[in-house]
Amino acid sequence: EIVMTQSPATLSVSPGERATLSCRASQSVGSNLAWYQQKPGQAPRLLISGASTRATGIPARFSGSGSGTDFTLTISSLQSEDFAVYYCQQYIKWPLTFGGGTKVEIK
Amino acid sequence: EVQLVESGGGLVKPGESLRLSCAASGLSLSTYNMNWVRQAPGKGLEWVSSITRGSRDISYADSLKGRFTISRDDAQNSLYLQMNSLRAEDTAVYYCARSDNFWWYFGLWGRGTLVTVSS
Repeated sequence: EIVMTQSPATLSVSPGERATLSCRASQSVGSNLAWYQQKPGQAPRLLISGASTRATGIPARFSGSGSGTDFTLTISSLQSEDFAVYYCQQYIKWPLTFGGGTKVEIK
Repeated sequence: EVQLVESGGGLVKPGESLRLSCAASGLSLSTYNMNWVRQAPGKGLEWVSSITRGSRDISYADSLKGRFTISRDDAQNSLYLQMNSLRAEDTAVYYCARSDNFWWYFGLWGRGTLVTVSS
């Protein structure tokens, strides 16, 4: 099983600042990496697939990078609606696995 | 509006069974690979099961040990999850999710249905 590790567990950021979230895979997943955003009481929402391709309707302030085992989700200028939990997921190998999540909170 | 709507959750006792449904509207499920993902209270996301178009291939998380069965009825535009021998650790919100472009990420999610297993 590919283990996905996200860091940090919690990230405190002020509105307007940049947030950088990390996701590491226990073995190479190529570019088969997705990012999701989840707000309290809501279902997750796809942000990024293929490590760097934004989903339809996702603002340009969200960007993904990396390949192999190390990936980054960057939110260039945090808006109030961006405070949420973010998950990464690999989809190159079964079982499909998620990281434990990074909570982005208001500083 | 394109959406997935889960139903069938509820409170059951350990050892009992439950069948979840996911109804699609605004899209034809037959053209998509589909999935179930769950989230225990206060915890992260856990993949449960996936089924390809035409039910050709099916996969399950090892932790389920044959207790769950995924199925689909494209004529009814619906996805199902039969859950048997339920345990307390199966307590979670269960999401139906669509895979896009034949890759196994989740491009569209339902709002989820809560399953609580407790005596």
